[in-house]
Amino acid sequence: KNEVEQSPQNLTAQEGEFITINCSYSVGISALHWLQQHPGGGIVSLFMLSSGKKKHGRLIATINIQEKHSSLHITASHPRDSAVYICAVSPGGADGLTFGKGTHLIIQP
Amino acid sequence: NAGVMQNPRHLVRRRGQEARLRCSPMKGHSHVYWYRQLPEEGLKFMVYLQKENIIDESGMPKERFSAEFPKEGPSILRIQQVVRGDSAAYFCASSPRTARDEKLFFGSGTQLSVL
Repeated sequence: KNEVEQSPQNLTAQEGEFITINCSYSVGISALHWLQQHPGGGIVSLFMLSSGKKKHGRLIATINIQEKHSSLHITASHPRDSAVYICAVSPGGADGLTFGKGTHLIIQP
Repeated sequence: NAGVMQNPRHLVRRRGQEARLRCSPMKGHSHVYWYRQLPEEGLKFMVYLQKENIIDESGMPKERFSAEFPKEGPSILRIQQVVRGDSAAYFCASSPRTARDEKLFFGSGTQLSVL
């Protein structure tokens, strides 16, 4: 069974700070997803990665397959980035995602 | 192109009643996933369907829960004889390919409350 660990669990930062959220998993995967869940509950898929690095606006996601680790970075953070960020992995040969518990991010003005 | 549509947004049922949750995937998406988020817990995979077929139901409780994705119409998650422990947010996601190959698009969820 794949375990997905995220850190930190909670993070409060000031507007403009560079944010890093980490995700580690225990067994081989075919893909890793980063999701954003807003206080209203809606979930948005930010990235799907199987190798390397992806960038979209102020968000950057990286993955190291050998070390079984991924990071999500937010540059020039803004209060509207406040949300729960969830890492999820797609185990090799299976289709159901396994989720981390999420990182609660609060960006203060 | 409308997003993934789930209804109802909120559903209240008494213990022993049936709950039916609906999910219309994005146009052109034939892969549908159902996830459950219990209070103060993370998301958990329940079932993965393609049109008319259940591909993986390893996350679904063996009793009282069933899912379908007919050739025409939305995907339905059905919970019979609901109990208080079924109270949760149920999310549907769709994709043109599998979650191994493609980002998922999520609906807004159905909040089920069992009295």
